[in-house]
Amino acid sequence: QVQLVQSGSELKKPGASVKISCKTSGYSFTSHTLNWVRQAPGQGLEWMGLINTNTGNPTYAPGFSGRIVFSLDTSVATAYLQILSLRNDDIAMYYCARASFDFWGEGTLVTVSS
Amino acid sequence: VVMTQSPLSLPVPLGQPASISCRSARSLVDTNGDISLTWFQQRPGQSPRRLFYKVSNRDSGVPDRFSASGSGSDFTLKISRMEAEDVGVYYCMQGAHWPFTFGQGTKLEIK
Repeated sequence: QVQLVQSGSELKKPGASVKISCKTSGYSFTSHTLNWVRQAPGQGLEWMGLINTNTGNPTYAPGFSGRIVFSLDTSVATAYLQILSLRNDDIAMYYCARASFDFWGEGTLVTVSS
Repeated sequence: VVMTQSPLSLPVPLGQPASISCRSARSLVDTNGDISLTWFQQRPGQSPRRLFYKVSNRDSGVPDRFSASGSGSDFTLKISRMEAEDVGVYYCMQGAHWPFTFGQGTKLEIK
């Protein structure tokens, strides 16, 4: 069965970076793009962008480009989200979701605190 | 593309119907000629779950008391009879234009 398993919660200091993983199984990894979605505490869903898992080409939503990096390791069917120069407003749950949002990871909580 | 949901809060007695509206600022016809409008349910403490895609295609496991419809820029999610397990926040999302955008969410609760 299709599964997207994300890495565990992270606590980082302001200015640090964090790298979240989304390990997939149960389907052909390179056949479906991978989306990343942010949800700040008590807030709605925001699409951060997606990565073409066949070419590795990322597409970043305008509000996020510059401080986030999408990457892949196709050998282990895993996608990564790296957030650079963390700020307080990066505190959120981050989700990965398969191409048409039919399957989601469980989310990774990122907390930023000095 | 701005997606506007209403209401933002919806208290509904058990057994009663519920209806959520989602309006888009522009056409949601994608490059394949389909209308890319998706509905999600997010129960408390859970990841979002897709309920409907391309306006009205129900996902596997979604109870048939849920229905979705719409065209142009006006879309609706309906629940024929509210059940306790339906409590949560419901989002619409357009996938026709980058960046994909979600509605603000409608919090459905038991009255």
